[in-house]
Amino acid sequence: AQKVTQTQTSISVMEKTTVTMDCVYETQDSSYFLFWYKQTASGEIVFLIRQDSYKKENATVGHYSLNFQKPKSSIGLIITATQIEDSAVYFCAMRDGVGDNSKLIWGLGTSLVVNP
Amino acid sequence: GGIITQTPKFLIGQEGQKLTLKCQQNFNHDTMYWYRQDSGKGLRLIYYSITENDLQKGDLSEGYDASREKKSSFSLTVTSAQKNEMAVFLCASSIETSAETLYFGSGTRLTVL
Repeated sequence: AQKVTQTQTSISVMEKTTVTMDCVYETQDSSYFLFWYKQTASGEIVFLIRQDSYKKENATVGHYSLNFQKPKSSIGLIITATQIEDSAVYFCAMRDGVGDNSKLIWGLGTSLVVNP
Repeated sequence: GGIITQTPKFLIGQEGQKLTLKCQQNFNHDTMYWYRQDSGKGLRLIYYSITENDLQKGDLSEGYDASREKKSSFSLTVTSAQKNEMAVFLCASSIETSAETLYFGSGTRLTVL
C-alpha cells in the first residue's frame, strides 16, 4: 500500500540557518514522482519542488533542494538560508500509478517556524 | 499564469443542510480536485474529475456529491452537513493526473452549527 510519512510534527530554527525536513514513502511502483508543497498561514498551498524517481540528481529550486535516497525510500527537503517567510507547513506527497489511475498520497505535514 | 477561485471563502450552515462549494480555474487544466483538510491533518481527496462531465470518487466521497459541467468549474455539495464536518475544503487543478503539479485555491472554511 502506498504511504507517505513525515515524522517531524514541528521544527523551530533560527533565521539564516539550514533546515532539513524528513519524508519517507512506500510504493510498489518502480516509477513515481515526489513533491513538496508549502502551506502558509493564510492557508494557501503552493508547489515547491519535485523529484522524479528515475532521476539520480537531486532537484534544486532556489533555496530549496532535495535529498533523494531511493534505497531508503526517503525524500528530504532542505531549505538553506531560511527566512522568516519560510515559516509554514510543508507537505510531502507522492504520485505513483499510471495516467488516470495514479494517486497522489500526502503526508501529514511538518510545521516550520523560523525565528528572528 | 492562472488562478483558482473558490467561493465562498467562509460557509456557515446548519446541521442537515445541503451546502454547495464552487471552484473556478482559468488555467485551462483538464483535471480538478476537491480535498478536505481537518485541523492539524493532511489532505484527503473527496472527488476529482479528469475532464468535463467526468467524476471520480476519492477516499472520502461518502456524504458528498460533485459536478463538473464545464472544464473551468468544479462544484462540491455536502449532501447533509454534520457537526464533525467543520474543515477547510480545497480545490485544485492540474494539467492531467499523472506527473503534473497541483495548483490550489485558497479554500472554503466550513462551519456547521
